[in-house]
Amino acid sequence: DQQVKQNSPSLSVQEGRISILNCDYTNSMFDYFLWYKKYPAEGPTFLISISSIKDKNEDGRFTVFLNKSAKHLSLHIVPSQPGDSAVYFCAAPGGGTSYGKLTFGQGTILTVHP
Amino acid sequence: DGGITQSPKYLFRKEGQNVTLSCEQNLNHDAMYWYRQDPGQGLRLIYYSQIVNDFQKGDIAEGYSVSREKKESFPLTVTSAQKNPTAFYLCATLPRQSSMNTEAFFGQGTRLTVV
Repeated sequence: DQQVKQNSPSLSVQEGRISILNCDYTNSMFDYFLWYKKYPAEGPTFLISISSIKDKNEDGRFTVFLNKSAKHLSLHIVPSQPGDSAVYFCAAPGGGTSYGKLTFGQGTILTVHP
Repeated sequence: DGGITQSPKYLFRKEGQNVTLSCEQNLNHDAMYWYRQDPGQGLRLIYYSQIVNDFQKGDIAEGYSVSREKKESFPLTVTSAQKNPTAFYLCATLPRQSSMNTEAFFGQGTRLTVV
């Protein structure tokens, strides 16, 4: 059972435009979410997180939105840059304040064209 | 400086051999994780451990084994029972209790190839 899903395997955008990456989850116990960026043959690096007590968290060009009723979160990158081209993963810890099992989505390959 | 060290970066295994991937951390994090990434796929959880001398199976534990004798170390053994071990393996750590600004830290990965 895939509890964290990223249904778009890939996304292609023009430099300067907005990139929107989506993530859905099924476990209502999830109360904290993280986004990671990954380049080939490297470990993922943390981008931004959001707690379920918020519906938005912003950090520079990156904003994450959380819709708890829809069990959906999205990562917005504005403006998109060619260096943003990578695989993006959303992740959710097991639930509550104890991380436990950390589950990742399948990832979305973002390509930003100059 | 603090971080996670995975070794080796590249590993070749003959069919039928067991191999052990190393993961060491000096972040003083309680939880450690092993993931596998196949080409074009996401990160799948193999095993995780939240405390010394305790670990749980993830989604694809068959053919793998782990130990957690020290807080700093969480080695992963890929056994001969793992039918398709060629993949990129990632180790991650987390503090046991979350906070609003907690994130998982990853090592740089080990690429295992069966020859």
